[in-house]
Amino acid sequence: AQSVTQPDIHITVSEGASLELRCNYSYGATPYLFWYVQSPGQGLQLLLKYFSGDTLVQGIKGFEAEFKRSQSSFNLRKPSVHWSDAAEYFCAVVLNNAGNMLTFGGGTRLMVKP
Amino acid sequence: DGGITQSPKYLFRKEGQNVTLSCEQNLNHDAMYWYRQDPGQGLRLIYYSQIVNDFQKGDIAEGYSVSREKKESFPLTVTSAQKNPTAFYLCASRINSNQPQHFGDGTRLSIL
Repeated sequence: AQSVTQPDIHITVSEGASLELRCNYSYGATPYLFWYVQSPGQGLQLLLKYFSGDTLVQGIKGFEAEFKRSQSSFNLRKPSVHWSDAAEYFCAVVLNNAGNMLTFGGGTRLMVKP
Repeated sequence: DGGITQSPKYLFRKEGQNVTLSCEQNLNHDAMYWYRQDPGQGLRLIYYSQIVNDFQKGDIAEGYSVSREKKESFPLTVTSAQKNPTAFYLCASRINSNQPQHFGDGTRLSIL
């Protein structure tokens, strides 16, 4: 069965430090890939998406992600974290069937130290 | 502004009671989705609808029901058969298969 794995449940970084959130998927073909961010008590906001083409994708709020087919990974990065980045981050994959449904990873909660 | 509106933001249910969560979108999106989110977990799909008057079960449909009588509305009813309804419920919509889903701000349902 297809699955999405975010190995890190919690990550703490210092403000100004770089960030990398990991995402791996198990899927036969190259899926559509997404990163969403969720602030407490809020819905999910799309950070970026990958459908095809350039494997380095730029998103909002200074985030980027790189698709690596050989590693079945789509890691999210930011060169310098701000305190406002503290939130929960979800990687998601679209299953290419009629419903085009998203499969979500379990999420990574990011905490930012001053 | 276009968007997805979920109401109410907080909802309480008594034992044996059905409750209905509202989801309205003015984005002219064809497909709509309901997800359940439990603490420390990702989102799990309850129901989805690709067109008006049609919907399909997701991974955890038991104890829930939906309707799609209008394109802009996709209400979710949590029935008394759902024994563990306490969760955060998120509604989403999508215009077509090549576009990402957009999410509402969620409804938090608790048991009294």
